[in-house]
Amino acid sequence: ETGVTQTPRHLVMGMTNKKSLKCEQHLGHNAMYWYKQSAKKPLELMFVYNFKEQTENNSVPSRFSPECPNSSHLFLHLHTLQPEDSALYLCASSQEVGTGGSEQYFGPGTRLTVT
Amino acid sequence: AQRVTQPEKLLSVFKGAPVELKCNYSYSGSPELFWYVQYSRQRLQLLLRHISRESIKGFTADLNKGETSFHLKKPFAQEEDSAMYYCALNTSGTYKYIFGTGTRLKVLA
Repeated sequence: ETGVTQTPRHLVMGMTNKKSLKCEQHLGHNAMYWYKQSAKKPLELMFVYNFKEQTENNSVPSRFSPECPNSSHLFLHLHTLQPEDSALYLCASSQEVGTGGSEQYFGPGTRLTVT
Repeated sequence: AQRVTQPEKLLSVFKGAPVELKCNYSYSGSPELFWYVQYSRQRLQLLLRHISRESIKGFTADLNKGETSFHLKKPFAQEEDSAMYYCALNTSGTYKYIFGTGTRLKVLA
């Protein structure tokens, strides 16, 4: 598959569970992002990785733990989540930041429900 | 603090009418601005960016630094323009992107 893929597409988990979201990009990009999209709120940037190094952590609670083993793969490990963490989690990738900013390519998202 | 404001949650226009989706930003540096669009059952994708000064699908957007705005315009709306539109700010030289809450555009037949 081309572009940015995310698995699973839907996830229901209890507050005591541990699960992981996976993102893979087939575009040869160097930067990868996790966003949270909640109802009636703007898209919130959570984490950014550039060349596997974390460059942004937007004050995200420690119950969300990112992992970037290489420039093509990005994980979001989840544990002891709260119901308010239910949202659509989007992954994106881009080339190096340059003049004029860099276009982000988004995945389809994982719809997470915490019960 | 950096912020992007899209004041309209929903904008309904008739086919053939002009469209303007508003976007205002707050950023003290040199902004890099984008419009992203999400059509029904599709993923979020780039529509246009201010630096390219292109017209994409008939849409244009001009950066007005005096008014700190980046409004999206199209002279004649089409039904296929119905979608969710997001304005986004990239703080210069960083990977930090800030999105607005989005405006749903409905083009009525």
